[in-house]
Amino acid sequence: EAGVTQFPSHSVIEKGQTVTLRCDPISGHDNLYWYRRVMGKEIKFLLHFVKESKQDESGMPNNRFLAERTGGTYSTLKVQPAELEDSGVYFCASSQGGRRLLYEQYFGPGTRLTVT
Amino acid sequence: GQQVMQIPQYQHVQEGEDFTTYCNSSTTLSNIQWYKQRPGGHPVFLIQLVKSGEVKKQKRLTFQFGEAKKNSSLHITATQTTDVGTYFCAFATIQGAQKLVFGQGTRLTINP
Repeated sequence: EAGVTQFPSHSVIEKGQTVTLRCDPISGHDNLYWYRRVMGKEIKFLLHFVKESKQDESGMPNNRFLAERTGGTYSTLKVQPAELEDSGVYFCASSQGGRRLLYEQYFGPGTRLTVT
Repeated sequence: GQQVMQIPQYQHVQEGEDFTTYCNSSTTLSNIQWYKQRPGGHPVFLIQLVKSGEVKKQKRLTFQFGEAKKNSSLHITATQTTDVGTYFCAFATIQGAQKLVFGQGTRLTINP
């Protein structure tokens, strides 16, 4: 079974430019999460999709960030325009849906974003 | 909102020594999860604890959840170089998103 994949693995852009990150969750996983880790700090939640619907985007820093999950499959996270403080590693994670209370989240390899 | 504080931030040990990282909350947690992130890698789920006083073992790793469900620890016996990485505790919110709230992580380095 393929794991969570993310593209690109690294991205270096200049302040003011736009970047789009992509996440492909494990097939069949309804839940998709975006997290970010900035410079050795804790990993912070950004948002959560159930299938194609945004359930919680309380962690999104501001309106420069836009996430979509077309058809409930892959997801994209666009940063426009990028600022220096957006640098960090962006992780995507997925988990199963259903009645069980807690599900293990499977993380992708992350996209390291550097804004110069 | 609820947070978890994790200590120490860094730990350097000689290979073969033991290692412990602690996770504390000011409020009762419904669950605690532990993840390991190897250098340059991504968080990998290790275990989940949900019961008061629960203790689980995975080979040389021992995980505990406090009686009051406000603290947790991960103890590694006789560290090996393969244990190098950052260990995170986290809890999953029960309502809504079941998003993970992470501690700051403990970075473990080992002198062979």
